[in-house]
Amino acid sequence: GENVEQHPSTLSVQEGDSAVIKCTYSDSASNYFPWYKQELGKGPQLIIDIRSNVGEKKDQRIAVTLNKTAKHFSLHITETQPEDSAVYFCAARKGNTASKLTFGTGTRLQVTL
Amino acid sequence: SQTIHQWPATLVQPVGSPLSLECTVEGTSNPNLYWYRQAAGRGLQLLFYSVGIGQISSEVPQNLSASRPQDRQFILSSKKLLLSDSGFYLCACKPLTSTGETQYFGPGTRLLVL
Repeated sequence: GENVEQHPSTLSVQEGDSAVIKCTYSDSASNYFPWYKQELGKGPQLIIDIRSNVGEKKDQRIAVTLNKTAKHFSLHITETQPEDSAVYFCAARKGNTASKLTFGTGTRLQVTL
Repeated sequence: SQTIHQWPATLVQPVGSPLSLECTVEGTSNPNLYWYRQAAGRGLQLLFYSVGIGQISSEVPQNLSASRPQDRQFILSSKKLLLSDSGFYLCACKPLTSTGETQYFGPGTRLLVL
């Protein structure tokens, strides 16, 4: 089955700096890669996603890049703010499998003042 | 847009007691539904998914079971809880009408088995 690895497990950046979280996946048939943000005690919220026919997608301060050849994708957050502090999860989905997602183990991002 | 409800929000249960967690979805029909468990400080593990009423697929062998008695109702159950069942249980939904593959999560139920 699919295996998703996520790094780093914790990340601390100063407010205004950029943060990058990286994930690798094992199944070359995976074609959909969402990123979720989870605040303490809450369910994960989708923040951005990318499909395998696209190499990069951006939404304001958040961007995701995908390298299908290397089977890795990354989340980039620019101009970080304290409210960006949360746990971020990447995931990968293989086509035609009832949309089951395989999640990474999460990155705890701390934005310090 | 869809809304996912889960209750209770928190639950403390003794070992050996039964469990019933409920998830209901509003704003969409015939969605795929999912139960995940998240251990403290860890990632999300898919437990069950359902593509329709009465259709349940189990991802991992365990002490839990799931049922989908109605289109927008998904229930997670156990006859006898174990200490290892403690965790944060999340229900997720993928709307049928969505052109994408996005799963949306509910607020979760925190279960502590003592």
